[in-house]
Amino acid sequence: DIQLTQTPSFLSASVGDRVTITCRASQDISTYLAWYQQKPGKAPQLLIYAASTLQSGVPSRFSGRGSGTDFTLTVSSLQPEDFATYYCQHPNTYPLTFGGGTKVAIK
Amino acid sequence: EVQLLESGGGLVQPGGSLRLSCAASGIIFSSYAISWVRQAPGKGLEWVSVISGSGGNTYYADSVKGRFTISRDNSKNTLFLRMNSLRVEDTAVYYCAKALNPRGAPFDALDVWGQGTMVTVSS
Repeated sequence: DIQLTQTPSFLSASVGDRVTITCRASQDISTYLAWYQQKPGKAPQLLIYAASTLQSGVPSRFSGRGSGTDFTLTVSSLQPEDFATYYCQHPNTYPLTFGGGTKVAIK
Repeated sequence: EVQLLESGGGLVQPGGSLRLSCAASGIIFSSYAISWVRQAPGKGLEWVSVISGSGGNTYYADSVKGRFTISRDNSKNTLFLRMNSLRVEDTAVYYCAKALNPRGAPFDALDVWGQGTMVTVSS
């Protein structure tokens, strides 16, 4: 099974900061990676799929890069509504795998 | 607007059974694979199971294989998860989530999620 390791697991940042989260796959997954945002008590929301394609309605301050085993999610200028937990996911093979999550908190 | 609405959660004793439902609206239901994903209290996301749009293909996480059964009724736009032999570690919020692409492979990004239904397994 493919394992996804997210780093860091927690980070604190201020409004306006540029934030980058990393997801590393245990083997080459090409660009088969998605990113989700989850706020407390709410369902996850798809942000990015195919490593870098922004889901409809997602603000352009979110971006994704990477291929193979190393991927990043960047928020160019953190907004108050962006404080949440972020998960990467490898969606294209069995079993469908999620990373452990990165909580982004207010500094 | 595409909506998914789960129901059927509750408190059940270890070894018991429960059936979850997920009602869909705003989509051609039979065109999309649907997954169940769960989240234990304070923990991350864990994929549980997926069923193809036709219902002909099903897949399960090892942690639930042989105990859970996913099914769908496309005439009623409804997805089910039958959970037997429940364990304390099955306690979680269970979400249903729709595949991004229609008529695609069962494994896909998940673009629409329900609000979740809580399952508590405790004596």
